[in-house]
Amino acid sequence: DAGVIQSPRHEVTEMGQEVTLRCKPISGHNSLFWYRQTMMRGLELLIYFNNNVPIDDSGMPEDRFSAKMPNASFSTLKIQPSEPRDSAVYFCASSGRLESPLHFGNGTRLTVT
Amino acid sequence: DAKTTQPTSMDCAEGRAANLPCNHSTISGNEYVYWYRQIHSQGPQYIIHGLKNNETNEMASLIITEDRKSSTLILPHATLRDTAVYYCIVRDASGTYKYIFGTGTRLKVLA
Repeated sequence: DAGVIQSPRHEVTEMGQEVTLRCKPISGHNSLFWYRQTMMRGLELLIYFNNNVPIDDSGMPEDRFSAKMPNASFSTLKIQPSEPRDSAVYFCASSGRLESPLHFGNGTRLTVT
Repeated sequence: DAKTTQPTSMDCAEGRAANLPCNHSTISGNEYVYWYRQIHSQGPQYIIHGLKNNETNEMASLIITEDRKSSTLILPHATLRDTAVYYCIVRDASGTYKYIFGTGTRLKVLA
């Protein structure tokens, strides 16, 4: 079991650029969650999917953020345009069912200059 | 908003039991208590969860009070590698299955 795989591990970009973060959940898991972590705000739930369908996106901070899950093995989180305040570590997590414990990836550290 | 209250930090001597408390006074009857930990900048790691009864696995034990308003995570023989931030989470009862993380307890295991 390879666990949840996120890419890239680190991303440095300039303000105004588009950023795409990628996540491959554990095979067979039906639910996928995106979190953001900063020193000031801790771990924040952005959006989660069940069976590839977005269930709750109330945590997505602005329209600049969008997330997709085109199939059971892949999800993306896109920020367009990016801003310095988007700098954070973004985590993806998956679970076998919505009520099952979460398995987290190692995160993508995003720096927007 | 997080539905749990935890101490900001704790120290524990290596080899001793670490007891991490969590208050969840507004917990509903069908809500589980979950514990995760985050070591340095890695992704949070699942430890244990429970509903009413005490639970034990290879990592830890979870003690839930009879009224379910508080719980304690016990690491029976803490090691330096247990130094981490420990999060106690009560999952949203509305059926949306949100995991809302609070600020957690920063546990430092001392040699």
